[in-house]
Parts: sequence; C-alpha cells; structure tokens
Amino acid sequence: GQNIDQPTEMTATEGAIVQINCTYQTSGFNGLFWYQQHAGEAPTFLSYNVLDGLEEKGRFSSFLSRSKGYSYLLLKELQMKDSASYLCAALDSNYQLIWGAGTKLIIKP
Amino acid sequence: DVKVTQSSRYLVKRTGEKVFLECVQDMDHENMFWYRQDPGLGLRLIYFSYDVKMKEKGDIPEGYSVSREKKERFSLILESASTNQTSMYLCASSVGTDYNEQFFGPGTRLTVL
Repeated sequence: GQNIDQPTEMTATEGAIVQINCTYQTSGFNGLFWYQQHAGEAPTFLSYNVLDGLEEKGRFSSFLSRSKGYSYLLLKELQMKDSASYLCAALDSNYQLIWGAGTKLIIKP
Repeated sequence: DVKVTQSSRYLVKRTGEKVFLECVQDMDHENMFWYRQDPGLGLRLIYFSYDVKMKEKGDIPEGYSVSREKKERFSLILESASTNQTSMYLCASSVGTDYNEQFFGPGTRLTVL
C-alpha cells in the first residue's frame, strides 16, 4: 500500500533550527510537496522536490532522496509564527497526492 | 493571487439532511479537488475533476457526490448526512499539469448531529 510517515508533533525553540522528516512508499513517484497549515486555516504550498538534493527558499529548505524514499523540511531561525502543522505529500504514478497526517510544530520562546 | 472560496466556514446539519458545499476559484484552474481532514489522518481525497462536467472518484467517495457545471465551481453533495461525515472539508484547485501546487480554500467545518 501507499504510505507517508512523519512525526506527529515536534517542539523547538525560537531562533533555533528544526528538521521535519518524511518517509514515503508510493506506487511510482512524481515528486514530493511540503505544505504549511496554521490552525484553523488552509494549507499553503511551501516546496516541491522531484530531483534528489536540497532546495533552499529563504529560511526554509527541502531535501529529497528518491532512493531512500525520504524527504525533510528544514526551518532555520525559527519564529513564533512558524508554529503550524507541516504536511508532506507524495505524488504517485497516477499523479495522485498521498498525504501524511502532518507534523505539528510547537515553537517555544 | 489565487483565491479559492468556500460557501461556509462552519455548518451544522442533522442526520439525513442533504448538504451542499460550494467551492469557487477565480484563476481559471482546470483541476478541482474535495478533501476531508480529520485529526491524526492525512488529507483524504473524496472526488476530483479535471474539467467541466468531468469527475473522478478519490479514495473515499462513498456517501458523497459532486457537480461541476462551470469551470470555476465545484460542489460537494452529501446525499444523506451521517454523523461519521462530521469533518473539515477542504476544496483545492490547480493548473492543468498534475505536478503543480494545489491552492486551498479556507475549509468548511461540518458537524452532523
């Protein structure tokens, strides 16, 4: 079956760095998305990786290893507004998105 | 900016009622999706549509139907609401190519009593 695994919850300190991991098992693979979702709000797009390696976008970076079925989202210089859930989603061979349950990130002062 | 709107943020209905959830996008996107989101579970796809009058079942279509009469509007219908359909419903849209990001509406929190 198809499956996405990511931690349920993580806690980090303001100003620090946090890495949110995601492993995936899908029928075929056409890329991996990360979305951010603040409580009570809609998910918003953060990144899309289809090739191996690291993509940096300001304070956020996303990494993909296709051979390991693994991705991570790296958040630097954490701010209180980064408190949110982070959703990992893999695009399978039918171009259907398989979603993880999300990682709730709690930022403490 | 892409805007996806949903008809209600909160909705309370009774078991057996017919429920309509409306979604409208203003960016001429070909693809539209309906998901439900429940605690501890990932987003689950109910139905999607790649074009007007076209619809495809997602992972959990049972108890739901959809309608897409116009490109910008995608409606989700609960024919006879049940308590296990209490959930957050999210609509999304995207440009035609499948690997493009999806833009989400604010969600409708539906409670079925």
